Amino acid sequence: AQSVTQLDSHVSVSEGTPVLLRCNYSSSYSPSLFWYVQHPNKGLQLLLKYTSAATLVKGIKGFEAEFKKSETSFHLTKPSAHMSDAAEYFCVVSGQKVTFGTGTKLQVIP
Amino acid sequence: EAQVTQNPRYLITVTGKKLTVTCSQNMNHEYMSWYRQDPGLGLRQIYYSMNVEVTDKGDVPEGYKVSRKEKRNFPLILESPSPNQTSLYFCASSFKYSGQGRTGANVLTFGAGSRLTVL
Repeated sequence: AQSVTQLDSHVSVSEGTPVLLRCNYSSSYSPSLFWYVQHPNKGLQLLLKYTSAATLVKGIKGFEAEFKKSETSFHLTKPSAHMSDAAEYFCVVSGQKVTFGTGTKLQVIP
Repeated sequence: EAQVTQNPRYLITVTGKKLTVTCSQNMNHEYMSWYRQDPGLGLRQIYYSMNVEVTDKGDVPEGYKVSRKEKRNFPLILESPSPNQTSLYFCASSFKYSGQGRTGANVLTFGAGSRLTVL
């Protein structure tokens, strides 16, 4: 069995400040983990993925995430938020089944 | 262009009238899957297929059927739609991931979504 918990449903940051979106997972095996982003009225786009190589994963648009097995966490970070980062972000754990978190809406204030 | 195509994009139907949402991919992906997206619930997997003629239930399969007769196509069938199936539906596909003694989905490519309303 697997599950994903995104700890914040909404996060609000000022433009130029750091972003932290939190994700905890549960899995009976070593999972593949992903972050996807969905802009309003758009489809889903991959930000980054972890599949058991380096624990610090770099993705597109300056995002990165760190896999911490001891904490069962896979938090998403970005050093400096941009207005275009305003979107909904989904943490995903994948085996044969794919399980999405409930999403975190990121608001970026000018 | 590599893509997942789903149709129709928008559909309004009535309770009990059978409908099919088609999904086709041109990337030779083994893994295909369907999701529904509802506010506050994220995306929930309905069914998935690891390869041709191999399908299995996701987390919310009730009221849906699928088939995988060809590698590229994975239609979603609502035999008798009900209002609680009003939702935004996404089809997605990927190559199969094999590693660490397990197989599963890899990076998913999503279709543009199908917004279904059941009256």
